[in-house]
Amino acid sequence: GAGVSQTPSNKVTEKGKYVELRCDPISGHTALYWYRQSLGQGPEFLIYFQGTGAADDSGLPNDRFFAVRPEGSVSTLKIQRTERGDSAVYLCASSPRLAGGTGELFFGEGSRLTVL
Amino acid sequence: GNSVTQMEGPVTLSEEAFLTINCTYTATGYPSLFWYVQYPGEGLQLLLKATKADDKGSNKGFEATYRKETTSFHLEKGSVQVSDSAVYFCALMTIKAAGNKLTFGGGTRVLVKP
Repeated sequence: GAGVSQTPSNKVTEKGKYVELRCDPISGHTALYWYRQSLGQGPEFLIYFQGTGAADDSGLPNDRFFAVRPEGSVSTLKIQRTERGDSAVYLCASSPRLAGGTGELFFGEGSRLTVL
Repeated sequence: GNSVTQMEGPVTLSEEAFLTINCTYTATGYPSLFWYVQYPGEGLQLLLKATKADDKGSNKGFEATYRKETTSFHLEKGSVQVSDSAVYFCALMTIKAAGNKLTFGGGTRVLVKP
C-alpha cells in the first residue's frame, strides 16, 4: 500500500517476554519516527531515524527499548522483558526527510501492545 | 522543555454547532504549531499548521491562528458535521540542529451528534 504499514496491529504478551514491532514507511521517506500513545493521552516521542542512524533516541524510556533500521527503510522496535506499564499503542510515522518546517508526519495505524 | 496543553474532552456537540478546542504551549525557541486529527480506525493525519506568529492555518473548514503573545493555537470550526467526530491533537515542533520532532498535547475527543 501507499501508507505507513505497522505489524502486528495487535499483540498480547506476558510480562517478561520479548516483543518486536515492525514499521514499513512510505517508499522514499528517509525519516522515520516511533511514538507511544497510552490510553487517553497524546503520542509520546520515543526515537527517530534519518536513514539508518538514530538521530535522536532521547525518548526511549529505558534500556529495555531498542529500535533499528538497518537498511534505511523498515524499522523494528524491540522491547525486552516487557512490563505491564509498556501496554500502549506504538505509532510509527515517516516523512520525506526530517520534516523540515512542514511538520507533516505520515502515521500508521499503530500496534496495540497489551502486556498481561 | 516543550509542552502542549489542550482542553480535555469529550466534547459533545450537535451538528452545525460551533466548535472551539483550546490549545496553549510552552516552547524553547520559536515553534511551528499543528493540529492533527485521528478519525475512528485511522492513523493520525495533519489537519492544519502555522509556522510563524499571526499565521492562520485552515483546512476542511477548521481554522487556528498562531498567537505568540498568548502562546495559543486554538482550533475552531463554525459548523461541525457528524463526520468531524474524531480525536484532535495540538502539537508543536522546534527545529534543532539534530532534527525535528513533534510534541503533542493529550488530545480532545469530539463527538458530533445528528
